[in-house]
Amino acid sequence: QKEVEQDPGPLSVPEGAIVSLNCTYSNSAFQYFMWYRQYSRKGPELLMYTYSSGNKEDGRFTAQVDKSSKYISLFIRDSQPSDSATYLCAMEGAGNNRKLIWGLGTSLAVNP
Amino acid sequence: NAGVTQTPKFRILKIGQSMTLQCTQDMNHNYMYWYRQDPGMGLKLIYYSVGAGITDKGEVPNGYNVSRSTTEDFPLRLELAAPSQTSVYFCASSPPGVETQYFGPGTRLLVL
Repeated sequence: QKEVEQDPGPLSVPEGAIVSLNCTYSNSAFQYFMWYRQYSRKGPELLMYTYSSGNKEDGRFTAQVDKSSKYISLFIRDSQPSDSATYLCAMEGAGNNRKLIWGLGTSLAVNP
Repeated sequence: NAGVTQTPKFRILKIGQSMTLQCTQDMNHNYMYWYRQDPGMGLKLIYYSVGAGITDKGEVPNGYNVSRSTTEDFPLRLELAAPSQTSVYFCASSPPGVETQYFGPGTRLLVL
């Protein structure tokens, strides 16, 4: 079993839809959870960062962490064609020399 | 700040040739990383460094070498290039006290 599982998609939605992206993990020591966005032929860029359980909101994006279920989510409200990208989840446990464990990424297409 | 810069953007190598992928960051980050990304395979950590003079292997170090003589630079050396090293290579850096990583634009390498 991989430490982090992420459905690769592809996911295709109409403009304005609410998008839900998810990752599950097996290591209960993970405390830091991140979502990165990667446009085609570009490097990943940090989108959201959460420590431990709870929600974090930034504009149209909400990150949610449920440590009891070992499940994290990224919600995108009012999705736009510019949100079309691959979304990668990443996580890390304390004292791991900042080595992140990555999901494979979910490809999202938002259609106008 | 330029952030993390990588050169070259694209390179074609013949089997058996060697080359150095350059990575520089101007954010005074102590942690630096090299990843490779292959379609459907996610990000794989090749090497990382926690500071000048200190490097360690990641998940897929075979066929690569690194050095870290300064805080800013973290070059990746490929010796005896093989077709299996055809990939997109990303360099990333991370500041002290924060788990997030900041990525360069990537180097696309084709080994024929």
